[in-house]
Amino acid sequence: DAKTTQPNSMESNEEEPVHLPCNHSTISGTDYIHWYRQLPSQGPEYVIHGLTSNVNNRMASLAIAEDRKSSTLILHRATLRDAAVYYCILRDVTQGGSEKLVFGKGTKLTVNP
Amino acid sequence: DVKVTQSSRYLVKRTGEKVFLECVQDMDHENMFWYRQDPGLGLRLIYFSYDVKMKEKGDIPEGYSVSREKKERFSLILESASTNQTSMYLCASRTSGAGRSYEQYFGPGTRLTVT
Repeated sequence: DAKTTQPNSMESNEEEPVHLPCNHSTISGTDYIHWYRQLPSQGPEYVIHGLTSNVNNRMASLAIAEDRKSSTLILHRATLRDAAVYYCILRDVTQGGSEKLVFGKGTKLTVNP
Repeated sequence: DVKVTQSSRYLVKRTGEKVFLECVQDMDHENMFWYRQDPGLGLRLIYFSYDVKMKEKGDIPEGYSVSREKKERFSLILESASTNQTSMYLCASRTSGAGRSYEQYFGPGTRLTVT
């Protein structure tokens, strides 16, 4: 399985930026980097994805290292509603040759008021 | 907005019962998935379906089967429920037209307890 490494937990204060790191040193040249988050008592939700260039959307920004072995999810102004587990995910391939996502343990983000 | 719904939020069943978990999506997605989520183990893929009547085993298919007779509906079946199948079950869907991006849409989950 493709592997990612994330800190188990991080803390932030409300209204401050948050940088969530992810290492993926075994990434292949064609793998997209995906980020999902899971709010308490909900299913995961898609946040952002990217391949090589930095990406921005209404939820977050994704900064990808030049060698693609690491990436950082940036929440520009954390709110209490951003408290969640954030997953950095690479695509993988099943035994049957189909694609799948592999969810690790993620980073639990706590946002302090 | 894409909507993925699951038949129950909470379910309690007895050991040995046959259990059906239903998932419905309303965006005409070709691909559908069943995961289970356990503390310390993250999300693990049980089965997925890449089209009607097509299925493929995920990482932990033992003790489970699936059915996809219609495009919008994907069912997970526990033939004979056991206590080690107590877990949160999550359904997801995705369009096959997403290219190499892999955006999946998840349902709210079903927390199954087997006693």
